[in-house]
Amino acid sequence: DTGVSQDPRHKITKRGQNVTFRCDPISEHNRLYWYRQTLGQGPEFLTYFQNEAQLEKSRLLSDRFSAERPKGSFSTLEIQRTEQGDSAMYLCASSLFGADTEAFFGQGTRLTVV
Amino acid sequence: KQEVTQIPAALSVPEGENLVLNCSFTDSAIYNLQWFRQDPGKGLTSLLLIQSSQREQTSGRLNASLDKSSGRSTLYIAASQPGDSATYLCAPPEGGSEKLVFGKGTKLTVNP
Repeated sequence: DTGVSQDPRHKITKRGQNVTFRCDPISEHNRLYWYRQTLGQGPEFLTYFQNEAQLEKSRLLSDRFSAERPKGSFSTLEIQRTEQGDSAMYLCASSLFGADTEAFFGQGTRLTVV
Repeated sequence: KQEVTQIPAALSVPEGENLVLNCSFTDSAIYNLQWFRQDPGKGLTSLLLIQSSQREQTSGRLNASLDKSSGRSTLYIAASQPGDSATYLCAPPEGGSEKLVFGKGTKLTVNP
């Protein structure tokens, strides 16, 4: 297993367009997280899944954002009607369920909205 | 609500120095704390996971300590190298959950 994989690595889109990102977690990990990171800041939690169930969503996740993990494996994060403020690095992480487990991150998807 | 502060925000040292990065957090009801490294434009690489039952965790030239009662963790880097240049992030979980809360990080530059 090569770790958490994210696709695409970079995305440039025009304001108002929809974009979708994909995350493939480490295969045996049942928890999957999405974070967003803007320049000079630490990552901020967006949402997480245990298997296919979305257990929590941050208030940062407006109704233009939707995330799915349909079969408890890969996940997608879609942003509708993108705005310039959505420009950020979107990071995916995975871990095994449990209190003392390590989270592993992917390389991120850099979104630029022009 | 968990809040994380990392000091210093930036640090520049000559190669070979030993150094300490500091992290403080407000909610001590945590199971563990992770330290990460982030290179520019890249994702996060996990360095160390330190459990609440441990006081220290070591990996190579890195040593992390955790003092839950005072809400502090430190990352000690021995014999720093230019390849250690990166931003270091500490991340305790939000109390009672597994979602991580990050500080802004410490940007380390090790000069040859």
